[in-house]
Amino acid sequence: SQTIHQWPATLVQPVGSPLSLECTVEGTSNPNLYWYRQAAGRGLQLLFYSVGIGQISSEVPQNLSASRPQDRQFILSSKKLLLSDSGFYLCAWRTGFTEAFFGQGTRLTVV
Amino acid sequence: GIQVEQSPPDLILQEGANSTLRCNFSDSVNNLQWFHQNPWGQLINLFYIPSGTKQNGRLSATTVATERYSLLYISSSQTTDSGVYFCAVEMGGGFKTIFGAGTRLFVKA
Repeated sequence: SQTIHQWPATLVQPVGSPLSLECTVEGTSNPNLYWYRQAAGRGLQLLFYSVGIGQISSEVPQNLSASRPQDRQFILSSKKLLLSDSGFYLCAWRTGFTEAFFGQGTRLTVV
Repeated sequence: GIQVEQSPPDLILQEGANSTLRCNFSDSVNNLQWFHQNPWGQLINLFYIPSGTKQNGRLSATTVATERYSLLYISSSQTTDSGVYFCAVEMGGGFKTIFGAGTRLFVKA
């Protein structure tokens, strides 16, 4: 069966520090991969999606970037975190036009 | 882009009560999903329902694609049903899943 791993679960980082969040999927190949951010009390905002290795589509101009170095690995990065980058980051996968499944999320606090 | 509106934004129920949550979308969609976000933030898949009706225990969902809305029914609510319910849609030909703002449900014992 397919599973999605996302880490770390929580992270506290100072302003100006770099960020790297990793998401990996098991049990499937060539998934579509997604990064979402959820601000406190709000809905989910799509940040990036990828339909294949090295293919990244950005939805919102921001301080973040994404990379897909392997088929089932999706990384969210920042060179210098801002206070406004705080939030709950969720990775998701799906194959083709089917339902999406989410990881457990990373709660990022920038201080 | 496509707009996804959920109503009501907040809902308080007494345990055992029934409720209906609504999701309206502004354009034709390929896919529609309902999720429950638990207090720990995890998104749990409830239904994948681009059209028609599905039932799973006390929950059921109906999507009328031609009229651009979906309904989630919760019967005999329990305190564990508390959380945020999200509707998410994908437009034809695209890969993006877009979420509504959610309905925050609190079930009182």
